[in-house]
Amino acid sequence: DAGVTQSPTHLIKTRGQQVTLRCSPISGHKSVSWYQQVLGQGPQFIFQYYEKEERGRGNFPDRFSARQFPNYSSELNVNALLLGDSALYLCASSLYITGELFFGEGSRLTVL
Amino acid sequence: KNEVEQSPQNLTAQEGEFITINCSYSVGISALHWLQQHPGGGIVSLFMLSSGKKKHGRLIATINIQEKHSSLHITASHPRDSAVYICAVSGTGAGSYQLTFGKGTKLSVIP
Repeated sequence: DAGVTQSPTHLIKTRGQQVTLRCSPISGHKSVSWYQQVLGQGPQFIFQYYEKEERGRGNFPDRFSARQFPNYSSELNVNALLLGDSALYLCASSLYITGELFFGEGSRLTVL
Repeated sequence: KNEVEQSPQNLTAQEGEFITINCSYSVGISALHWLQQHPGGGIVSLFMLSSGKKKHGRLIATINIQEKHSSLHITASHPRDSAVYICAVSGTGAGSYQLTFGKGTKLSVIP
């Protein structure tokens, strides 16, 4: 079975642009959560979606938004990019709303 | 808001040594996760526990709910164990959906 897949793996954007990151969970997993990891720091929680509904949101500005589709895949959108948004964005899926997490390899975003 | 502290921040060990990484948190939790992150970014879940002790191969994780403390032990360490080990906790109630992470412990095992 395929693990959690994220795309793109690397991308470079300029300040003010918008970016969309994609995540496909493990088959059968209904929960997807998103995390931001700045270099040298631990990850920070951004969003969790379960059964297509937002179930949790971390302390991030409204420039960050996400959604979950009927097939349980998810997108994370970031508008009006700032230099400080440069980070590794990780997606994780789990079978239930709480439970063991399975992480993707991440999308590394560089904002110039 | 839960505060998660890990110690040590950096750890260098000789191959074969017994290693302990510690994690403390400030408020009650529903579960604690130990994660392993290799260079390049990918994260692997090692353990999820809410009480007692779990063992998988050379890895052992324990948690003391009363003390708000968890330890990850690696027996007979090997260079392939070199990675960043991250502790993360799930809150209780509505907050259980939000993981709070420690900053990680960077382990280097020297042959």
